[in-house]
Amino acid sequence: DTAVSQTPKYLVTQMGNDKSIKCEQNLGHDTMYWYKQDSKKFLKIMFSYNNKELIINETVPNRFSPKSPDKAHLNLHINSLELGDSAVYFCASSQSQGNTEAFFGQGTRLTVV
Amino acid sequence: GENVEQHPSTLSVQEGDSAVIKCTYSDSASNYFPWYKQELGKRPQLIIDIRSNVGEKKDQRIAVTLNKTAKHFSLHITETQPEDSAVYFCAASPGNTPLVFGKGTRLSVIA
Repeated sequence: DTAVSQTPKYLVTQMGNDKSIKCEQNLGHDTMYWYKQDSKKFLKIMFSYNNKELIINETVPNRFSPKSPDKAHLNLHINSLELGDSAVYFCASSQSQGNTEAFFGQGTRLTVV
Repeated sequence: GENVEQHPSTLSVQEGDSAVIKCTYSDSASNYFPWYKQELGKRPQLIIDIRSNVGEKKDQRIAVTLNKTAKHFSLHITETQPEDSAVYFCAASPGNTPLVFGKGTRLSVIA
């Protein structure tokens, strides 16, 4: 059983399109995150949710909208995709915010052409 | 907010030698310091972590040290092997915010 799973693994799309990435965790964790990893491998937090509620929204364009239907799921919807959105997006979860191990999904490589 | 600096950005060592990666953090309230290893095309995975009430922790060939006064912590890998080649990330958190990651160190172990 995969602890944190996200789909799709690869996503190639044209500029201006809208796309979604789904994430699910079966660890019973209260906190879920979206991280963005750019071509230089920097891992930057985008959003943090605790028990379905948004806790942190870093300086991310409002074209990015996370949705958490329940505490096991955190999806990421991106509107009007731009070339600069190309990156690997990682979903992660942890028992609580910040001071415990974060478990990562396998990542979604988004390529905007 | 927390800021984590990591050095070096790249590191090459001969197989069997030791590797040391260093990180500094800015928020004195940070109390959890994990290290993640990311192999090519894979997800980051925890390899070792340390909390602020401990100065050093070891797990086989891997050790982490923490100096709270100086606000820095280090990862030590002894007897390096080719399979240790990966990108390593340090991170820190005061516990009420997500982990903040350093910019990563690409370690290459040359056989």
